[in-house]
Amino acid sequence: ETGVTQSPTHLIKTRGQQVTLRCSSQSGHNTVSWYQQALGQGPQFIFQYYREEENGRGNFPPRFSGLQFPNYSSELNVNALELDDSALYLCASSLDNSYGYTFGSGTRLTVV
Amino acid sequence: KNEVEQSPQNLTAQEGEFITINCSYSVGISALHWLQQHPGGGIVSLFMLSSGKKKHGRLIATINIQEKHSSLHITASHPRDSAVYICAVRVSGTSYGKLTFGQGTILTVHP
Repeated sequence: ETGVTQSPTHLIKTRGQQVTLRCSSQSGHNTVSWYQQALGQGPQFIFQYYREEENGRGNFPPRFSGLQFPNYSSELNVNALELDDSALYLCASSLDNSYGYTFGSGTRLTVV
Repeated sequence: KNEVEQSPQNLTAQEGEFITINCSYSVGISALHWLQQHPGGGIVSLFMLSSGKKKHGRLIATINIQEKHSSLHITASHPRDSAVYICAVRVSGTSYGKLTFGQGTILTVHP
């Protein structure tokens, strides 16, 4: 049974650029949630995808968007990067929106 | 005020000590999670609770639904327990699996 894999592990981007982060869910899981964790803070919910549809969203602007693919892997896209977007981005997968989650190791994004 | 509050924010202990981390929440929940995050960033799920008590090795988690409070205990602490411990809740009534996180407790165990 594989866990949740996120790529890349680290990324540096320039303000105004666009970025795509990737998440492979745990085998058998069909739900993926994305979180943003700023330095010294707890993670904040961005959105969740269930069976390729977004079914919940936190307080993030539309320039944060996502996709889920038929194999339940997922992408997080951020357009027009701002300095405050610098954070650890975490992905978590689960089965049928159940209570049990498996987290990835995260992608650390630095915007300069 | 945050919906999930943890205390203490920082905790330093000597190897072998008994450790308690507390979590209080102000909303109705369907489940509470205790998570461990190491410096590299990855999060490991320790416990998921909706009532009572769970034990895994040296870790014990309890929850009191009426008081909206949970505790994570570590017995015979060890330097490898040093990490950030995070309490997260799934708020009742949400149709999706959004977790609301506490700010975390930084635990350092010295040999």
